[in-house]
Amino acid sequence: GESVGLHLPTLSVQEGDNSIINCAYSNSASDYFIWYKQESGKGPQFIIDIRSNMDKRQGQRVTVLLNKTVKHLSLQIAATQPGDSAVYFCAETRMNTGFQKLVFGTGTRLLVSP
Amino acid sequence: DVKVTQSSRYLVKRTGEKVFLECVQDMDHENMFWYRQDPGLGLRLIYFSYDVKMKEKGDIPEGYSVSREKKERFSLILESASTNQTSMYLCASSLITGQPNTEAFFGQGTRLTVV
Repeated sequence: GESVGLHLPTLSVQEGDNSIINCAYSNSASDYFIWYKQESGKGPQFIIDIRSNMDKRQGQRVTVLLNKTVKHLSLQIAATQPGDSAVYFCAETRMNTGFQKLVFGTGTRLLVSP
Repeated sequence: DVKVTQSSRYLVKRTGEKVFLECVQDMDHENMFWYRQDPGLGLRLIYFSYDVKMKEKGDIPEGYSVSREKKERFSLILESASTNQTSMYLCASSLITGQPNTEAFFGQGTRLTVV
């Protein structure tokens, strides 16, 4: 069936490095792709989204890239900090009986070492 | 700031019990959602609601029901709890803006253990 998934379950980086978290999706009809961050003991928090007709969007220290040809989404975090340690989820919006909902992937844990 | 509050952080219930998980949001959001989160499976949508007294099944509604009698409150009900419903339950809310919703606000989660 259709799914949103991730290549790597855990990514370890050094503080100051750039991090790249990847995600594969299968539904070409999705309207938006989104990244959420979940810190330990908290609910997920919205980071950034990208509309399906775009290939790049930048935020503060984060960039999301969308490659529709290979159905691949990535989140780049510049100058990774210990506070970036969390689980990152990609998600997409899909229609459900005429109403849009979010469908989440399985998550990647980012570990930042000082 | 948007606040989504779940009534309990931790719950332990016995098999066969009827369990109520409560969620309240304070930003007048139309949409509310219940997800369960399990290791390796990510967040899976159980039910959602886009208006008072309205509800829609998500991807895994079996064994659950919901209630939305007031706009700010969305309850998840486990009619007869089973051990395979042991999980982290997350409530979320979002606005209806006339275009695709991408920003949902989540509560801190309720970790339910069914013994």
